[in-house]
Amino acid sequence: AQSVTQLGSHVSVSEGALVLLRCNYSSSVPPYLFWYVQYPNQGLQLLLKYTSAATLVKGINGFEAEFKKSETSFHLTKPSAHMSDAAEYFCAVSEGDNQGGKLIFGQGTELSVKP
Amino acid sequence: GAGVSQSPSNKVTEKGKDVELRCDPISGHTALYWYRQSLGQGLEFLIYFQGNSAPDKSGLPSDRFSAERTGGSVSTLTIQRTQQEDSAVYLCASSPDSRGHNEQFFGPGTRLTVL
Repeated sequence: AQSVTQLGSHVSVSEGALVLLRCNYSSSVPPYLFWYVQYPNQGLQLLLKYTSAATLVKGINGFEAEFKKSETSFHLTKPSAHMSDAAEYFCAVSEGDNQGGKLIFGQGTELSVKP
Repeated sequence: GAGVSQSPSNKVTEKGKDVELRCDPISGHTALYWYRQSLGQGLEFLIYFQGNSAPDKSGLPSDRFSAERTGGSVSTLTIQRTQQEDSAVYLCASSPDSRGHNEQFFGPGTRLTVL
């Protein structure tokens, strides 16, 4: 069975500092991995996804994530935080192309950015 | 173009009443997903449709929950005899098809409050 663990329900950084949000997954087959962001009172928006091409994936708003199979991780980073990055971030996994595409989400990490 | 829309945006109901939540997916998207977001449970998969068929209903919490999709487009999630634990935000997403590598496009959600 698939599962996703996000370490840290709340992360606080200063503006301009490195953002690191951690995600570890469990999957019985090579997974597809996603990071979504949710701004207050809005739906989820895709930041980036890993689909077995390059292991370092670049997304929108300066975010990137690296797929590390040996560590079963897909951590999200951004070199310099901006106030507008404050939101909740969700890591998700889906298995293969024949399983219907349902997403299994982590519990989410709320990112706060201090001026 | 138009994104995924959901109605109503907010719904307050009394315990024991039935409610219907509507989702209009992006035109041409054959896959449609329902998720529930609650404080205690995070983001949970409920059901997905490929066309008008629902191959995976495994996330529906009880037989009080049902969903249908007609014409390969609009979907309705129905909750009968609502309970207070049904209070949550119900999110709908659509995708070009149900292969796992596809991005899912999320609607803004329906916030359901059961008094």
